[in-house]
Amino acid sequence: NAGVTQTPKFRVLKTGQSMTLLCAQDMNHEYMYWYRQDPGMGLRLIHYSVGEGTTAKGEVPDGYNVSRLKKQNFLLGLESAAPSQTSVYFCASSSTLGLDTYEQYFGPGTRLTVT
Amino acid sequence: RKEVEQDPGPFNVPEGATVAFNCTYSNSASQSFFWYRQDCRKEPKLLMSVYSSGNEDGRFTAQLNRASQYISLLIRDSKLSDSATYLCVVNTMEYGNKLVFGAGTILRVKS
Repeated sequence: NAGVTQTPKFRVLKTGQSMTLLCAQDMNHEYMYWYRQDPGMGLRLIHYSVGEGTTAKGEVPDGYNVSRLKKQNFLLGLESAAPSQTSVYFCASSSTLGLDTYEQYFGPGTRLTVT
Repeated sequence: RKEVEQDPGPFNVPEGATVAFNCTYSNSASQSFFWYRQDCRKEPKLLMSVYSSGNEDGRFTAQLNRASQYISLLIRDSKLSDSATYLCVVNTMEYGNKLVFGAGTILRVKS
């Protein structure tokens, strides 16, 4: 099993450009999440999904959109990139069964720089 | 005030030392508690869950004090491979099992 994968691993954007980050998981997890990690801030939740076809806002959703058309995929879109969106983006997934409910498995991250 | 606060360190310790990290959380409704480990430029990975009665996993011991809203992690006999950032994490049942992450404590174990 690959676990959680993310593409791309690195990206440089100019202000105003758009892009989509792809997250895929092969663990049949219901829940998926997008976080951003900035120095000294800890990971912050951008958007999340509790199942195929559902999405919801996290604590820092502005400037981002998401879609979960298939259970295994969770896409994060930046419509018009801003320098404040320079960050490392992590996707995560978790199951809803038993004692493993709260463990989140993370992808390797996408390093995004907006100039 | 941050929901989860940790001493950022870095903690520089020699191999074989015992080191302890502390963490406080502000939401009394928090229900689950964890320590995650994050290596440099890598993703976070679950190190261990933290139970009310305290729990141990090899050289690692975690403690929870709900009354004081305080979590600790003790590492005995530190190894070079323990060098990483340790993230204190709580779950509040908001946002679909949202995890709230501390900013992390950096540990550097030196030979």
